[in-house]
Amino acid sequence: DSGVTQTPKHLITATGQRVTLRCSPRSGDLSVYWYQQSLDQGLQFLIQYYNGEERAKGNILERFSAQQFPDLHSELNLSSLELGDSALYFCASSRMDPQETQYFGPGTRLLVL
Amino acid sequence: GNSVTQMEGPVTLSEEAFLTINCTYTATGYPSLFWYVQYPGEGLQLLLKATKADDKGSNKGFEATYRKETTSFHLEKGSVQVSDSAVYFCALRGSGNTGKLIFGQGTTLQVKP
Repeated sequence: DSGVTQTPKHLITATGQRVTLRCSPRSGDLSVYWYQQSLDQGLQFLIQYYNGEERAKGNILERFSAQQFPDLHSELNLSSLELGDSALYFCASSRMDPQETQYFGPGTRLLVL
Repeated sequence: GNSVTQMEGPVTLSEEAFLTINCTYTATGYPSLFWYVQYPGEGLQLLLKATKADDKGSNKGFEATYRKETTSFHLEKGSVQVSDSAVYFCALRGSGNTGKLIFGQGTTLQVKP
């Protein structure tokens, strides 16, 4: 158990809908990262937050947004969902320094029908 | 930009065989290198890491050496077990002030008794 929790574990929804994925980092970790794992794109970095502020952005679609709250949990919002958004979404967290090890949560599996 | 290339799988071995999974990278500066493992139905777990050239990371019988001259970080294990069956990801983190990880495509290892 990495100490990073993600909810829900599974999510099934329809095209055009909006969903919110939630991540609670390990106790004391200030950085949260979101990654998407899909069959065609592999594991891709989406976005990083550090202590409530956006730190880095990767290949994140405009339909996707994220935020980190004062209690340091983070949410990833996916809107206008398409079939191709079906994937496993991972959250990871690390301590203050960006060079610290990232610990991954178990992931949320999203299926868009 | 930075990238990671892994050997394609699946790799099928008999128990107690020697394992090598090749990983090469392209990066500017001095990246840190990682191997993560994903067991069926689970999130990613850090297996080992190396933060500078000639460092050797090791854990649970697995080893990898950071070779700057060949830009490689090959994963090896002398004697694999059925329980090592999983997907293995090579990853790099650049030397900037973000912690984002860039992953290879992953290599599936299946170990047969």
